[in-house]
Amino acid sequence: QVQLVQSGSELKKPGASVKVSCKASGYIFTSSGMNWVRQAPGQGLEWMGWINTVTGNPTYAQGFTGRFVFSFDTSVSTAYLQISSLKADDTAVYYCARSVSGVDAFDVWGQGTMVTVSS
Amino acid sequence: DVVITQSPRSLPVTLGQPASISCRSSQSLVYDLNWFQQRPGQSPRRLIYKASNRDSGVPARFSGSGSGTDFTLTISRVEAEDVGVYYCLQAAHWPRTFGQGTKVEIK
Repeated sequence: QVQLVQSGSELKKPGASVKVSCKASGYIFTSSGMNWVRQAPGQGLEWMGWINTVTGNPTYAQGFTGRFVFSFDTSVSTAYLQISSLKADDTAVYYCARSVSGVDAFDVWGQGTMVTVSS
Repeated sequence: DVVITQSPRSLPVTLGQPASISCRSSQSLVYDLNWFQQRPGQSPRRLIYKASNRDSGVPARFSGSGSGTDFTLTISRVEAEDVGVYYCLQAAHWPRTFGQGTKVEIK
C-alpha cells in the first residue's frame, strides 16, 4: 500500500539545523510531487510548499523561504526537509503529504516528525 | 492568497445526530476542495476529494457537497470515533491554503 514514513523526533538548540526525511513506498516516487505541512503546537495545518519530484523544482510558501530547503533522492524514494538557523518558533510537527493537485492531492500523509527547538 | 473561512470552530454534537461544517473561499475553487480528519495524536487523513468524492475506506456517513466558493462536510450520524479536528484545503490556487479547523466533540 502507499505509505510515507518519516524520521523520528528531533531536539535541537537554537541556531542549529535539522533534516527531516520522508520515505515513500507503494508507488512510483516520481509520479507525484511531495508537500510539506507544518503544525505548531495546538495550532492548525499550514502548507509550507512542495517539490516537483520530476524536475526537482521546489515551491515555497510565504514565510518558508530562506531557511527551508526541500530536496529528494530518487534512488531511495525519499524526500527531505532541511531547516537551518532554527528558532524556538520552528517547534512544530512537520508532515510530508503526497501530491499537490488532482485526485491524489494530499491523499497520503506521513506520521509526522516533531521538531523541538530549545536551549 | 485564497482565504478559506471555516465554521464553526467548535462543534459539540450528540452521538447519533448529524453535524455539518462549512468552508467558504474568497475565490472560486470550482470543485477543488478536500476535507481532512485529524484525530487526537494522529496525522491528518483525507476523507473527501474534489468536493464530494469519498476516499476509499471512509464511512458512508461522511459526505461532501458544494462548488465554487461554498462547501460543506456532513456527518449524517456522529459516532464516538469521529471526534477530532476537521480541515478543508483548497487545491485550485497557489499557494494551497487550509481552513482554520473545526473541533468536533461529543456533548
